[in-house]
Amino acid sequence: NAGVMQNPRHLVRRRGQEARLRCSPMKGHSHVYWYRQLPEEGLKFMVYLQKENIIDESGMPKERFSAEFPKEGPSILRIQQVVRGDSAAYFCASSQTSGGDTQYFGPGTRLTVL
Amino acid sequence: AQTVTQSQPEMSVQEAETVTLSCTYDTSENNYYLFWYKQPPSRQMILVIRQEAYKQQNATENRFSVNFQKAAKSFSLKISDSQLGDTAMYFCAFMTNNRKLIWGLGTSLAVNP
Repeated sequence: NAGVMQNPRHLVRRRGQEARLRCSPMKGHSHVYWYRQLPEEGLKFMVYLQKENIIDESGMPKERFSAEFPKEGPSILRIQQVVRGDSAAYFCASSQTSGGDTQYFGPGTRLTVL
Repeated sequence: AQTVTQSQPEMSVQEAETVTLSCTYDTSENNYYLFWYKQPPSRQMILVIRQEAYKQQNATENRFSVNFQKAAKSFSLKISDSQLGDTAMYFCAFMTNNRKLIWGLGTSLAVNP
């Protein structure tokens, strides 16, 4: 059973470009979570999605950031007009149900903004 | 506000010895879940152990066990018979009723040969 897949693993963008991060949850998991890890810090919650629905986006910056989890295909975290402060590791996690179900993490995407 | 505090930024232990990492949290919720995750140099986030707050029995996974003190809001991780492969950053995390994980800043553990 494949784990959570994220791609790309490393992404380099220049200021002002767009970044698209992809996450495929574990088989049978319909809940996806995105977290951001700034250098030397713990993870910060960004958004929680189920298929075709955003459940909680309270940790998502109001501008430039968006997320989706379509009926078919991976979840996408999109960052428009990236700035240097967006440089971080972005982790996706998935769970089978909601409630207290364990979240399993992907390997992360390391975004570097030049 | 719900917070997680890990008061030990760095720790070291000799191979085969036992080490305990501390974690405290603050919440007004009664039902919640606690986790320890490990982040080795590969940067992958790996689940170590989980604890349900409604269970009095401390969780155990092989060499890893927790000391969960609900009244004190304490959730420490004990690693027995430490191995070189245990070298990693260890994060304590708390799951809220709305499913988001709240994270501590981590403890960097070095296992020395």
